[in-house]
Amino acid sequence: GQNIDQPTEMTATEGAIVQINCTYQTSGFNGLFWYQQHAGEAPTFLSYNVLDGLEEKGRFSSFLSRSKGYSYLLLKELQMKDSASYLCAVMDSNYQLIWGAGTKLIIKP
Amino acid sequence: DVKVTQSSRYLVKRTGEKVFLECVQDMDHENMFWYRQDPGLGLRLIYFSYDVKMKEKGDIPEGYSVSREKKERFSLILESASTNQTSMYLCASSSNSGDVTEAFFGQGTRLTVV
Repeated sequence: GQNIDQPTEMTATEGAIVQINCTYQTSGFNGLFWYQQHAGEAPTFLSYNVLDGLEEKGRFSSFLSRSKGYSYLLLKELQMKDSASYLCAVMDSNYQLIWGAGTKLIIKP
Repeated sequence: DVKVTQSSRYLVKRTGEKVFLECVQDMDHENMFWYRQDPGLGLRLIYFSYDVKMKEKGDIPEGYSVSREKKERFSLILESASTNQTSMYLCASSSNSGDVTEAFFGQGTRLTVV
């Protein structure tokens, strides 16, 4: 079966760095997406990786290793507004998105 | 600015009622999706559509149907609402063109069936 695993919840301190991991087993691979979802709101797109390596976008970076079925989202200089759930999704060989259950990130002052 | 709009933010319906959830996108996207989101389960695909008048079952289609008569509009229908369909419903759209085909989501409809 197809599976996306990510931690249920993480806690970090304002101003610090946090890494949210995602491992996947899917039928084929056509890219990995990270989304941010604030409570009660819709998910919004953060990043996309299809090749191995690190993609940097401001305070957020996303890394992919296809051979290991592994990605992480790195958030630097954490702000209180970064408190949200972070969803990992993989596009499989049929171009369907397979979603993880999300990681709830709690930022403490 | 890209936009996916769902007709209702909150909805309360009675068991057995027929429920319509509407979704409209203004980006001329080919693909449209309906998901439900429940705590600890992530997003689960109900139905999707790759073109007008075309529909495909997702992972959990039972108890639902869809309609796509126009490219910009994708409707989700609960034929006879049940309490286990209480959930957050999210509509999304995406394009087939471009290097990154990310999905854009509507604001969600929180449906409660009583």
